[in-house]
Amino acid sequence: TQLLEQSPQFLSIQEGENLTVYCNSSSVFSSLQWYRQEPGEGPVLLVTVVTGGEVKKLKRLTFQFGDARKDSSLHITAAQPGDTGLYLCAGAYFNKFYFGSGTKLNVKP
Amino acid sequence: GAVVSQHPSRVICKSGTSVKIECRSLDFQATTMFWYRQFPKKSLMLMATSNEGSKATYEQGVEKDKFLINHASLTLSTLTVTSAHPEDSSFYICSANRGSQETQYFGPGTRLLVL
Repeated sequence: TQLLEQSPQFLSIQEGENLTVYCNSSSVFSSLQWYRQEPGEGPVLLVTVVTGGEVKKLKRLTFQFGDARKDSSLHITAAQPGDTGLYLCAGAYFNKFYFGSGTKLNVKP
Repeated sequence: GAVVSQHPSRVICKSGTSVKIECRSLDFQATTMFWYRQFPKKSLMLMATSNEGSKATYEQGVEKDKFLINHASLTLSTLTVTSAHPEDSSFYICSANRGSQETQYFGPGTRLLVL
C-alpha cells in the first residue's frame, strides 16, 4: 500500500489546456515536495510546501498544500509540450520521504 | 547548489556477483541519505535510510543482507547488491538531505541489469 495516492496516473492533453494533479493521504506530513522526472534520470525538485494551506507559484505551475497537511495539488496553466514528464509528490513523514504513485503527463503540440 | 552524484550510472553484471553503487553529496554534508528503487514506469520505493556512522534503517520487506548500506562519511553512502539476481535489475536512486532541511536532493540514478 502507498502512503500517498496520486491521481490521475496518466494524462494526455493538448497544448494550451489546463490540468490538475492530486496527491492524497490519510497521514499528516511535515512537508511535501513535488518533483518532475525524465526517463533515465533522477527526480528534479520543483517545490517544497511546509505550511497547511500554503500556495506556491512557479511560473505556470501552482502548488497547494492542504490545510490539514494531508493532501496537495499541482495545477498547470496553459500546458506546453515541454511540460511532458512524470510528476511525483513526496511527503516527509518521521524524517523519511514517501512517494506518490506518479502522474505521467503527455502534452501534445 | 546541492549536487548529488551516483556511480556508476549503468552496470551490467552476471547473476551471483555483487555490485556496489556509490552516492556522493558534492557540495554539502549530508546527515541523511536515502536509497530508492524504481521499476519501469513506476514511482520510487524507499528502501532504506542511511545515517552517517550508524546502521541503516530498512523499510519493511527490504532484505538488509541483500542490500548492504554503508554510510562511511557525511558525503558518501554506498549500496551493495549482494549475489545479484535478474529480479534485482532496476533503477536505483539515492538522495541526500542537508541538515534540518526537509528537502532531498536526488542523484541521477544507477541502472542495474543482472543477466
